[in-house]
Amino acid sequence: AQKVTQAQTEISVVEKEDVTLDCVYETRDTTYYLFWYKQPPSGELVFLIRRNSFDEQNEISGRYSWNFQKSTSSFNFTITASQVVDSAVYFCALSEAEDSNYQLIWGAGTKLIIKP
Amino acid sequence: DAMVIQNPRYQVTQFGKPVTLSCSQTLNHNVMYWYQQKSSQAPKLLFHYYDKDFNNEADTPDNFQSRRPNTSFCFLDIRSPGLGDAAMYLCATNQGAGRDNEQFFGPGTRLTVL
Repeated sequence: AQKVTQAQTEISVVEKEDVTLDCVYETRDTTYYLFWYKQPPSGELVFLIRRNSFDEQNEISGRYSWNFQKSTSSFNFTITASQVVDSAVYFCALSEAEDSNYQLIWGAGTKLIIKP
Repeated sequence: DAMVIQNPRYQVTQFGKPVTLSCSQTLNHNVMYWYQQKSSQAPKLLFHYYDKDFNNEADTPDNFQSRRPNTSFCFLDIRSPGLGDAAMYLCATNQGAGRDNEQFFGPGTRLTVL
């Protein structure tokens, strides 16, 4: 069955520290998509990245980077030089290409607190 | 800018008084979703439409219904809100062409039940 695990319920770091949010997924499909969403206190879910299962290249976008490893079924997210504005709940999600409803399987989320 | 719009952003209703939340999109996407999200939890899918085809999740209470009169609009009706229905309600869309599977979210409506 499909499943997304975010084992870290809450992480608290001091500003400027690097922090990694873990995401482990389970799927039987060979074609699937992985996502990260950010949810700040305002509540809106903000799309950060999508990765398809055939693209294992790591991605860097400014202070954000993502490490996708199929061998360990992980899609981890690193924030470098964290800032207070990075404080939010971060969700990892999975979508399978065989799912004609395009549904997202969500992880439980990791609450990230960046202290000044 | 193409986007997903939800109105109102905050809704207060009384126990048992019907309430309707609305969602509109300018993305011309085929699929529209309604999620319920309670504090510190992941979004929970209530139902979705693929065009006019309605798909209800098995554990969505009968108290929740939806309408999609056209491509752009989708409504969530809560017939008799209970205290347990207080939550953030999120609308999302998906192109539905199978090419990217990304969902685009609206800002949400926070529902308070008194």
